[in-house]
Amino acid sequence: ETGVTQTPRHLVMGMTNKKSLKCEQHLGHNAMYWYKQSAKKPLELMFVYNFKEQTENNSVPSRFSPECPNSSHLFLHLHTLQPEDSALYLCASSQEPVNYNEQFFGPGTRLTVL
Amino acid sequence: AQKITQTQPGMFVQEKEAVTLDCTYDTSDQSYGLFWYKQPSSGEMIFLIYQGSYDEQNATEGRYSLNFQKARKSANLVISASQLGDSAMYFCAMRVRTGNQFYFGTGTSLTVIP
Repeated sequence: ETGVTQTPRHLVMGMTNKKSLKCEQHLGHNAMYWYKQSAKKPLELMFVYNFKEQTENNSVPSRFSPECPNSSHLFLHLHTLQPEDSALYLCASSQEPVNYNEQFFGPGTRLTVL
Repeated sequence: AQKITQTQPGMFVQEKEAVTLDCTYDTSDQSYGLFWYKQPSSGEMIFLIYQGSYDEQNATEGRYSLNFQKARKSANLVISASQLGDSAMYFCAMRVRTGNQFYFGTGTSLTVIP
């Protein structure tokens, strides 16, 4: 039990679909993250939320829309995606501002865009 | 700018042998933390070990140790007595004092041979 859960674990969608990824952390952390992991590339940080406020948006296309209703839940809303958006999407959480605490990751959602 | 470099895309090691996974980093910050994560085929990122830039001793966690050479900006992971369950991707990551963004390398795929 990692304390960070993600649903669904696998998702196949067409380019015109709208879907959402869900992340929930049971660790009492106050920061949550979305990462994109593509083959042979470093993890790409997409969004960071501290105390429910978005603090980082690393030039992510608007077809990805995050939502953080509370410090335990994080969503990634997807619409009109492209095939190159197919990847593993990882959610993570950490306790801030304690220096250098590790991030705890969920199992990821493997997304395939047809 | 912060950067993590892992130059070994793939490594093989005999079961019960030790293996070293290389990681070099680049930052102008004086205060930073270095992390190693393991990612099995299931996709979840598992935290292994942490080294602070001001820590004088190399970090150890069970069979994992971090060979920290600050002047060379390297933070190699040493796995002793390899087990079949160690087969996975291994990622080196860094975090600097400012902000809570983690910087990841491209990873090393480790295969343990029986």
